[in-house]
Amino acid sequence: DTEVTQTPKHLVMGMTNKKSLKCEQHMGHRAMYWYKQKAKKPPELMFVYSYEKLSINESVPSRFSPECPNSSLLNLHLHALQPEDSALYLCASSGAGGGEKLFFGSGTQLSVL
Amino acid sequence: AQSVTQLGSHVSVSEGALVLLRCNYSSSVPPYLFWYVQYPNQGLQLLLKYTSAATLVKGINGFEAEFKKSETSFHLTKPSAHMSDAAEYFCAVSHPFVGYSTLTFGKGTMLLVSP
Repeated sequence: DTEVTQTPKHLVMGMTNKKSLKCEQHMGHRAMYWYKQKAKKPPELMFVYSYEKLSINESVPSRFSPECPNSSLLNLHLHALQPEDSALYLCASSGAGGGEKLFFGSGTQLSVL
Repeated sequence: AQSVTQLGSHVSVSEGALVLLRCNYSSSVPPYLFWYVQYPNQGLQLLLKYTSAATLVKGINGFEAEFKKSETSFHLTKPSAHMSDAAEYFCAVSHPFVGYSTLTFGKGTMLLVSP
């Protein structure tokens, strides 16, 4: 199984809602990532978890809250988002070595109204 | 800091023609380089990875890339384009850390294939 599974595929939320994005992998990878991709732009790194511990937070606003409950799961909790947060949110996983290839999920297309 | 630059935001080819997508890197150490492809409303799929084992890297779907240190380039090629190759292509450089690696992507090149 070389898949990274993200749910939901599409999400529409209001600025006062609370929602969560979910990501799951069963490749035994110990590094998991959240990337944000705006239309016609490259993905930008948001968070990195290594061995279930937050290793990188790229100065992401606190309305985005990541969580890694175990080595296979990664969540992104959303609260009080702004319309400019509308984007494709991509989860990825990789091995823990240097220069490892990242495996990406198909993403969650988020629209904030 | 390591970075990549992709030349050309759009490349148009005819079906059956050679595909050439350009990527130049900037790195003071031997880099780990990647090419990813993204189809509309999809995630990113790895095409190939350079790890210094060989300068010519073969990937999936008939794509290959050649690492040229003298030109700091890692261009992606395919001898004959198919309609199904139409997608966005990203060159990326890896930043290795202890326990994980992050990717910095180029701005992307949209490949358009006409019949």
